[in-house]
Amino acid sequence: SQQGEEDPQALSIQEGENATMNCSYKTSINNLQWYRQNSGRGLVHLILIRSNEREKHSGRLRVTLDTSKKSSSLLITASRAADTASYFCATVLTDSWGKFQFGAGTQVVVTP
Amino acid sequence: EPEVTQTPSHQVTQMGQEVILRCVPISNHLYFYWYRQILGQKVEFLVSFYNNEISEKSEIFDDQFSVERPDGSNFTLKIRSTKLEDSAMYFCASRKGGGSYNEQFFGPGTRLTVL
Repeated sequence: SQQGEEDPQALSIQEGENATMNCSYKTSINNLQWYRQNSGRGLVHLILIRSNEREKHSGRLRVTLDTSKKSSSLLITASRAADTASYFCATVLTDSWGKFQFGAGTQVVVTP
Repeated sequence: EPEVTQTPSHQVTQMGQEVILRCVPISNHLYFYWYRQILGQKVEFLVSFYNNEISEKSEIFDDQFSVERPDGSNFTLKIRSTKLEDSAMYFCASRKGGGSYNEQFFGPGTRLTVL
């Protein structure tokens, strides 16, 4: 079984619409972090949510975490063409040295 | 703003050759990581490094791989005898100490192509 699985795998929306993607995981975590990756490029940190937090905001981003359901969601409001990228959730397990387990990602395409 | 840097950005090598991928983590960070991403697949953990030794490694990180922090600045990943399936994007990451409640900063990656 895989830790940190995102859905949907792909999302295509118009500029101005909201984009929502989900991440599920299987084991206990310390925190969950969302990253963005533009095609062929590095990983850019978006937001970190701790296991004792339920919701967090950063600009146009809103992240929720439901530890009872072992799931998280990332909402991008008022999307822009520049938001086109792949989005990954990464979980940090308890009793780990902070290593990440990444999901397969959600590929978001925002068309003008 | 401090950032993790990696060199080279792209490395092409012949199967069986040794490669060394270099990373300069953020200067006050204490934990260092290597990940890889095969084209079209998820990012996979390879190894974590703390206090000058490997703290954790994945099953991918076999005897062909080694890591080193030779001078307190650079953090290197060596692949002793590359295989075709080692072709991937390799990311270095670092984070501050103080528990795992903090973000990892990723470098831009090195694209390794094994021919």
